[in-house]
Amino acid sequence: ETGVTQSPTHLIKTRGQQVTLRCSSQSGHNTVSWYQQALGQGPQFIFQYYREEENGRGNFPPRFSGLQFPNYSSELNVNALELDDSALYLCASSQPSGSGSDTQYFGPGTRLTVL
Amino acid sequence: AQSVTQLGSHVSVSEGALVLLRCNYSSSVPPYLFWYVQYPNQGLQLLLKYTSAATLVKGINGFEAEFKKSETSFHLTKPSAHMSDAAEYFCAVSDQTGANNLFFGTGTRLTVIP
Repeated sequence: ETGVTQSPTHLIKTRGQQVTLRCSSQSGHNTVSWYQQALGQGPQFIFQYYREEENGRGNFPPRFSGLQFPNYSSELNVNALELDDSALYLCASSQPSGSGSDTQYFGPGTRLTVL
Repeated sequence: AQSVTQLGSHVSVSEGALVLLRCNYSSSVPPYLFWYVQYPNQGLQLLLKYTSAATLVKGINGFEAEFKKSETSFHLTKPSAHMSDAAEYFCAVSDQTGANNLFFGTGTRLTVIP
């Protein structure tokens, strides 16, 4: 069974640029969630994709957008990068059971630094 | 709305001593609660979760947690700390909406002293 993978591992961008982060879900999972983890903080929910549709969104501006593909892999796009976007971006996959007890399996993350 | 509070951003214990990491939750519905561990430069790994089946939940690596509704707590314990337990620990609660997204605490860094 293949776990959640993310690419790239590290990324350095400058303010105003755009970035795309990628995530491959665990085998058999059709749901992908993205989280932002600032230094010294817990992860914060950005949004979730279920069967290629956005299925929930946290308190993040529209310049954070995403996609999910037919193979359930996903992208997170951030436009007009700001210094505060520097963080570890975590992707998690799950297989919904219809309750709130689904286990989310996390990837190793992408460390984004905005200069 | 759901939220969790982790008391103590840093906890130090001696190797072989009891580990106790505190988490209190706030939830408008019966909660689903999780503990995750994060090793340096890695993602999060699930230790255990509470889904109302049993109040004492056993997880991986010898960890367990007890759900106490009267205290709105879900503290994580391990009888005997090992050097490999040194990591960041996060408590989380599910919002139980369509996305079932997790609300995380700010984390507790556990240091194990040899």
